[in-house]
Amino acid sequence: GAVVSQHPSRVICKSGTSVKIECRSLDFQATTMFWYRQFPKQSLMLMATSNEGSKATYEQGVEKDKFLINHASLTLSTLTVTSAHPEDSSFYICSARVSSNEQFFGPGTRLTVL
Amino acid sequence: AQSVTQLDSHVSVSEGTPVLLRCNYSSSYSPSLFWYVQHPNKGLQLLLKYTSAATLVKGINGFEAEFKKSETSFHLTKPSAHMSDAAEYFCVVTFYGGSQGNLIFGKGTKLSVKP
Repeated sequence: GAVVSQHPSRVICKSGTSVKIECRSLDFQATTMFWYRQFPKQSLMLMATSNEGSKATYEQGVEKDKFLINHASLTLSTLTVTSAHPEDSSFYICSARVSSNEQFFGPGTRLTVL
Repeated sequence: AQSVTQLDSHVSVSEGTPVLLRCNYSSSYSPSLFWYVQHPNKGLQLLLKYTSAATLVKGINGFEAEFKKSETSFHLTKPSAHMSDAAEYFCVVTFYGGSQGNLIFGKGTKLSVKP
């Protein structure tokens, strides 16, 4: 099946700094990628939909100025957590849509903000 | 409104015994249904999917699920649990129409396997 990678897999940063997470589709082109957030022992929460060449669509309650998404190419979407705070610590997972109803998920990025 | 309910937050079985993880959905559209597995600190791995073909779907690692429209269910089963099956399992539904994301996740069921 299609492979999606994320980098880094784990990052620790100081409060107030910005962190960039990359999501790549390795063997296919993805016009649409998704970013999810998963709190401990909870399900995935869709944060935003990233469309190549256009602005991301954010879900209700997600601050677009806080979580910057860029989808500059058909194989790469980035999520930047700006001015990170401890409450931003979470597991962030991206996915890429191959067909109209199937998504392939990346391995996730564990963000810890001190 | 569309929704997914995983009836059990935690299921514990002994190695070699059957596994049953329950999932019910609510929708006015024709759904596609998925089961994903997530091991600790890992991403999601697709176990199997139903997309309006055969109602009994076979997946990886010996798992299978049956789509029952009359019961609006898509329960996940495995005849014999293995220690490596211990993980979090998510029932996921997608519907045509609605938001671009389309995926609706259940809250997850943690499967524990005792030796």
